[in-house]
Amino acid sequence: AQSVTQPDIHITVSEGASLELRCNYSYGATPYLFWYVQSPGQGLQLLLKYFSGDTLVQGIKGFEAEFKRSQSSFNLRKPSVHWSDAAEYFCAVGEDGAQKLVFGQGTRLTINP
Amino acid sequence: KAGVTQTPRYLIKTRGQQVTLSCSPISGHRSVSWYQQTPGQGLQFLFEYFSETQRNKGNFPGRFSGRQFSNSRSEMNVSTLELGDSALYLCASQGSGGTDTQYFGPGTRLTVL
Repeated sequence: AQSVTQPDIHITVSEGASLELRCNYSYGATPYLFWYVQSPGQGLQLLLKYFSGDTLVQGIKGFEAEFKRSQSSFNLRKPSVHWSDAAEYFCAVGEDGAQKLVFGQGTRLTINP
Repeated sequence: KAGVTQTPRYLIKTRGQQVTLSCSPISGHRSVSWYQQTPGQGLQFLFEYFSETQRNKGNFPGRFSGRQFSNSRSEMNVSTLELGDSALYLCASQGSGGTDTQYFGPGTRLTVL
């Protein structure tokens, strides 16, 4: 069965610092990969997705992610974080295309002023 | 376009009762998926409906059921509520393509006492 691992439960960075959130997946075929963000009391908002093609994917809010098949990873990056980026971030892999998402446990991001 | 709407936003029930949650997808979307989010188990896929038919199902007991109407609106029902059913229930809508993005609603917070 497919699985997603986000090794970091909680990360704290200073405002303006760079950010990298890790995601490793287990999937037999070419994966459909997603990063979602969830603010307190809110649903999930899609940051970016990878289906095929260029392995460096650009998303909203200045985020990007790089698909590395050899490492089974899809890490999320941002060069300079803003206080408004504080939220929980979820990596997901799609089964049956994107019809059924398997999520990682999430990484909670705290921003120090 | 209006986003995914879920009603009610908050519910309090007691053990043994049943509950029905509602989801209205984005206009034109024919697929609706349901997810359960808890602190312990994270985000877990419940089921997906497409054109009034259940197309995918997660690993939940039969107390969890759903349906979809001809206008693509969906309901999920939980019978004989247990304390462990307390969770945020998220609905996601998706277009007709299997690789279309899932757009999430704000969720219904269910508390079982």
